[in-house]
Amino acid sequence: RKEVEQDPGPFNVPEGATVAFNCTYSNSASQSFFWYRQDCRKEPKLLMSVYSSGNEDGRFTAQLNRASQYISLLIRDSKLSDSATYLCVVNEGSSYKLIFGSGTRLLVRP
Amino acid sequence: DVKVTQSSRYLVKRTGEKVFLECVQDMDHENMFWYRQDPGLGLRLIYFSYDVKMKEKGDIPEGYSVSREKKERFSLILESASTNQTSMYLCASSLSRPLEAFFGQGTRLTVV
Repeated sequence: RKEVEQDPGPFNVPEGATVAFNCTYSNSASQSFFWYRQDCRKEPKLLMSVYSSGNEDGRFTAQLNRASQYISLLIRDSKLSDSATYLCVVNEGSSYKLIFGSGTRLLVRP
Repeated sequence: DVKVTQSSRYLVKRTGEKVFLECVQDMDHENMFWYRQDPGLGLRLIYFSYDVKMKEKGDIPEGYSVSREKKERFSLILESASTNQTSMYLCASSLSRPLEAFFGQGTRLTVV
C-alpha cells in the first residue's frame, strides 16, 4: 500500500462547479498535512495546511479525518485558473520527511 | 517571501559524468529536501537533511549522494549519471515547525 494515495483523475468540471478530492495516508502517527498545487511544468506550491478542526481559505476548504486517515480538499465555484494538479502531502510519522501523493488532476472547462 | 533557488533550469549531461545540482534557500530553514518527479510516479524523495552535515536517505537514494556544509545550501550529486536518472529534480526547504515546504523552480536533467 502506498503511504499517500490519491485518485489521479482527471476531474473534468464546468466553471462554477464544486469539486472535492480525497487523499488517504497509511501512517497513523503522521502529524502534518498539506495540499499543494502544481501547474504544468512548474514547481509545487503550497495551497493550504490542513488542521484537525478543518480550515477554509476563500473557496477552498480542507478537512482532516484522523480516525479514517484521510484528508479532503473542497473547491467551490471553480475557476478556469483552478485547473492544475493537486498534491496531498503528509509527514512520515513524527519525522520531518514529507511524503507526496501522486496528485489529482483537475480540469475546469468554460 | 521564501526563496529557494536551483542552480540550473535545464541540464544535459553524458552517461558516466559526475553531476552536481545545487540548491540555496534564504530563509534559514533547518530542513532541505531533494525530490525527483517522473510522469506517473509523482514526487519521490531522494535525500533530506534536517541540519548542517546531517542527512537521511529518502525512498530512492541509490546512485545519489548529498552534501550540506552550510545551512542554506544543499547539493545533490549524481556520482555517475545514467539515462534512468533523466528526470525533473526539485529542491525544497522547510522549518521544523511548521513543516510547510517551499520549492525551487526545478532542474530538468537529461542524461544522454
